[in-house]
Amino acid sequence: SQTIHQWPATLVQPVGSPLSLECTVEGTSNPNLYWYRQAAGRGLQLLFYSVGIGQISSEVPQNLSASRPQDRQFILSSKKLLLSDSGFYLCAYGQGKEKLFFGSGTQLSVL
Amino acid sequence: QQQVKQSPQSLIVQKGGISIINCAYENTAFDYFPWYQQFPGKGPALLIAIRPDVSEKKEGRFTISFNKSAKQFSLHIMDSQPGDSATYFCAGSGGSNYKLTFGKGTLLTVNP
Repeated sequence: SQTIHQWPATLVQPVGSPLSLECTVEGTSNPNLYWYRQAAGRGLQLLFYSVGIGQISSEVPQNLSASRPQDRQFILSSKKLLLSDSGFYLCAYGQGKEKLFFGSGTQLSVL
Repeated sequence: QQQVKQSPQSLIVQKGGISIINCAYENTAFDYFPWYQQFPGKGPALLIAIRPDVSEKKEGRFTISFNKSAKQFSLHIMDSQPGDSATYFCAGSGGSNYKLTFGKGTLLTVNP
């Protein structure tokens, strides 16, 4: 069966510090991978998606970057966090172009 | 234009009542319309989905109604329960892109 792992569950970081969130998928090969951000009580904002190793599409120009060093690993990074980077970060993998399966999310607070 | 417009933004229903959430899409290339359910602090989970070749799909208490000519679809939750209290997102996908286009979500509260 397929599973998605995302960690950490919560993270408190000072402004200006770096960020690295990791997501891994098991039980499937060559998945489409996605990073979403959700502000409190708001919708799902697509940040990045990847259809293969080293292939990253950015949806929103901002302080974040993404990388896919391995087939089933997706990393979200920042060199210097801003207050506005606070939010609930969700990794997801897709089967083809349709079904998305989300991880459990990381609640990031930048103080 | 690939927007999916969702309404209402929030909804309060009494236990046992019917919850109805509506969505409208613009992209005629969309051929897959899922609904996701999200509980606080959790990732969204696929609830039910429909393709435009049918007008209705039912799974338990959850039903999607689809109107292709109007480019609208809706989620009906029959006999709503307090455990259904969550945020619901509609979405659409299709064509050549690899993305789901989500609505902005509806916060459903079912009072006991």
